[in-house]
Amino acid sequence: QKEVEQDPGPLSVPEGAIVSLNCTYSNSAFQYFMWYRQYSRKGPELLMYTYSSGNKEDGRFTAQVDKSSKYISLFIRDSQPSDSATYLCAMSRYGNNRLAFGKGNQVVVIP
Amino acid sequence: KAGVTQTPRYLIKTRGQQVTLSCSPISGHRSVSWYQQTPGQGLQFLFEYFSETQRNKGNFPGRFSGRQFSNSRSEMNVSTLELGDSALYLCASSLQGRGGDTIYFGEGSWLTVV
Repeated sequence: QKEVEQDPGPLSVPEGAIVSLNCTYSNSAFQYFMWYRQYSRKGPELLMYTYSSGNKEDGRFTAQVDKSSKYISLFIRDSQPSDSATYLCAMSRYGNNRLAFGKGNQVVVIP
Repeated sequence: KAGVTQTPRYLIKTRGQQVTLSCSPISGHRSVSWYQQTPGQGLQFLFEYFSETQRNKGNFPGRFSGRQFSNSRSEMNVSTLELGDSALYLCASSLQGRGGDTIYFGEGSWLTVV
């Protein structure tokens, strides 16, 4: 079983829709949770960073962490064509900078 | 503030050759990590350096090695290249590397092995 599971299936949504992405993990030692956005042929760009259970909002983006269920989510409201990218969840343990990544979700927002 | 800089961006090598990739972290960042990204395996951790010392190592063969200089710049080397080493190699930097740091990635070096 991989440490981090992210269903890599592509996701196509119409402009303005809500995009919902999620990851599950098996290692309860993970304390820090991140979402990265990666455009084609570019490096990952940090979108959201959380370290506790609950919600964190930043503009159109909301990250949720449920440590009891080992489940994290990212919601994108009012999606735009510029949101078309691959979204990667990542997490790390306390005292350790090594990131474990999900496989990524390719999101396409159709105008 | 300049981001993480990686060179070269693109390169093509032949099987059996070796390659060296370079990374300049964000100014003031002392932790540098390297990742390999492939379509099949996704992003996999290679190793992390902090203050010129390798602090963490992923599950890669010894052909993959790295080092960090006193100015925090880092290089990684892959010897005896195999076709399967074709990938995007990403460098990431953070302040202290103690976990909980914000980790920033460079644009990556695209390596093609033919």
